[in-house]
Amino acid sequence: GAVVSQHPSWVICKSGTSVKIECRSLDFQATTMFWYRQFPKQSLMLMATSNEGSKATYEQGVEKDKFLINHASLTLSTLTVTSAHPEDSSFYICSARDRAYYEQYFGPGTRLTVT
Amino acid sequence: AQTVTQSQPEMSVQEAETVTLSCTYDTSESNYYLFWYKQPPSRQMILVIRQEAYKQQNATENRFSVNFQKAAKSFSLKISDSQLGDTAMYFCALANFGNEKLTFGTGTRLTIIP
Repeated sequence: GAVVSQHPSWVICKSGTSVKIECRSLDFQATTMFWYRQFPKQSLMLMATSNEGSKATYEQGVEKDKFLINHASLTLSTLTVTSAHPEDSSFYICSARDRAYYEQYFGPGTRLTVT
Repeated sequence: AQTVTQSQPEMSVQEAETVTLSCTYDTSESNYYLFWYKQPPSRQMILVIRQEAYKQQNATENRFSVNFQKAAKSFSLKISDSQLGDTAMYFCALANFGNEKLTFGTGTRLTIIP
């Protein structure tokens, strides 16, 4: 089956620093990847859609200068949280859409804690 | 804009019993896809089942089946012979054909009791 990896699985950073999260599709090509944020006991909130070779499309209310997304290849997308603050602490999940199907395959998520 | 509603925040059922999770949705599109995703305590999202709106036949995957009522915009998930490993959050999701974004419901926390 389709596998999506995320790295790191857990990161702690100090307020004001930046942190990068990687999302990789391991056995298929993903022209489109998605980044979600999930608060405890809540549903997934779509942050942005990442298309290979073009700029990401951000959902309303998501700061594009704070959450930088790069989709440099068909198997890799990165999310950089710039100048992180404690309120950015959350669970970040990426997903990748297989070119052939409409379902999305999800990574295992990254827990970000900003101190 | 489309919406997905799951009206059961929590459910519990005895092991080996059958349970049905409810989902209703709203979309102005005629072509779309519906999904059920499972999120166990590990928080890894797992696709359980998918349904294309143009297909009248309800999708089935082993112990999991759906009751898709297009006119009523209802998409329920039935889990037969429930197992302890079915304990998880279950999210109903919708994607319009041509729009890759998934719209998720708020989820139903399902607990299987030994």
